[in-house]
Amino acid sequence: AQKITQTQPGMFVQEKEAVTLDCTYDTSDPSYGLFWYKQPSSGEMIFLIYQGSYDQQNATEGRYSLNFQKARKSANLVISASQLGDSAMYFCAMREGDTNAGKSTFGDGTTLTVKP
Amino acid sequence: DVKVTQSSRYLVKRTGEKVFLECVQDMDHENMFWYRQDPGLGLRLIYFSYDVKMKEKGDIPEGYSVSREKKERFSLILESASTNQTSMYLCASSSPGQVTTGELFFGEGSRLTVL
Repeated sequence: AQKITQTQPGMFVQEKEAVTLDCTYDTSDPSYGLFWYKQPSSGEMIFLIYQGSYDQQNATEGRYSLNFQKARKSANLVISASQLGDSAMYFCAMREGDTNAGKSTFGDGTTLTVKP
Repeated sequence: DVKVTQSSRYLVKRTGEKVFLECVQDMDHENMFWYRQDPGLGLRLIYFSYDVKMKEKGDIPEGYSVSREKKERFSLILESASTNQTSMYLCASSSPGQVTTGELFFGEGSRLTVL
């Protein structure tokens, strides 16, 4: 079974609107970390936001927030006030275990296009 | 500015050639990773290393080997390149330190074409 599932191959959003990118995960480990990365057309992957499995609050970083629903095993990325520069591919990833030294498993990605 | 540098952005090789992809990081990170990225398949882990001279297989190690002789350098080796190894290769590093989340820092990628 796939450990990280991103069901939206492509998404469109109007500039200045909010958008939610979906991510569900599968693990039996009680300790894990969830990440979102952005990959612009230039190719370099950029870390956006992190949520630990024991974190009580949803993570936020500027215009990015992570809607963490542990019981549903979902970790959706919300981008508020979309900008043209947000057009990119977005990857959800999970690292299992209680150490941050482990390897990460990635989803297939969602391509976001922001329309002017 | 912290950095992960991959030696070549674009390479074209012939079937059967030995290919070296080099990756250097300047952040003193213990962990280094090689991923392969293909359309619709996301990133798949080839090999990773937690320390010098140490390596572990990822999800798709077949046809690849790695070398980590120094902490800052992690090399991916294709002993005999094949056309199905045409792909984008991404190197990443991370720190296992307690004050970090262990997020990955990526290089710009190496796009390899095997003819």
